[in-house]
Amino acid sequence: DTAVSQTPKYLVTQMGNDKSIKCEQNLGHDTMYWYKQDSKKFLKIMFSYNNKELIINETVPNRFSPKSPDKAHLNLHINSLELGDSAVYFCASSQEGGITEAFFGQGTRLTVV
Amino acid sequence: AQKVTQAQTEISVVEKEDVTLDCVYETRDTTYYLFWYKQPPSGELVFLIRRNSFDEQNEISGRYSWNFQKSTSSFNFTITASQVVDSAVYFCALSEGYNNNDMRFGAGTRLTVKP
Repeated sequence: DTAVSQTPKYLVTQMGNDKSIKCEQNLGHDTMYWYKQDSKKFLKIMFSYNNKELIINETVPNRFSPKSPDKAHLNLHINSLELGDSAVYFCASSQEGGITEAFFGQGTRLTVV
Repeated sequence: AQKVTQAQTEISVVEKEDVTLDCVYETRDTTYYLFWYKQPPSGELVFLIRRNSFDEQNEISGRYSWNFQKSTSSFNFTITASQVVDSAVYFCALSEGYNNNDMRFGAGTRLTVKP
């Protein structure tokens, strides 16, 4: 049973399209995150949610909109995709925010062409 | 905001060598949490260790050991007798007690262990 699962694993799309990445965790954790990893492997936090409430919203273009229908799910919707959005996006969850370790999904490699 | 510096971008060693990965952090908080993660070539992020700011005891887990020193704001990671399977990117991360939903990562150190 995968603890944090995200779909799809690969996503290739054209500029200007809208796409979503889904994330689900079955660990019963209260906190969920989205991170972006660029081509140089740098991991940047985008959003964090605690019990469906948005806690962290980093300087991310408002084309990116997270949605948490319940505390087990945190989806990421991206409008009007740009070439610079190409990256690996990781979803993660932790039991108690940053106090406890985060468990990561396998990542979604987004390629915008 | 907190900051994590991993000054070593890439390290290459030969199998069986010992290697230390450096991590220096900055925070204004007295309560904080430090982590190390491993990202092997397959791409997943694997949790290795967590330390809180009140626990300066060093930790050893098999060939892995961690040296936490508040006096130098460092949380270094040593692999003893490295193996090819240790080849990965290693990340140090920090979250602060007052805003603990914000886990920040260093830039990572790419370790290559050659046979």
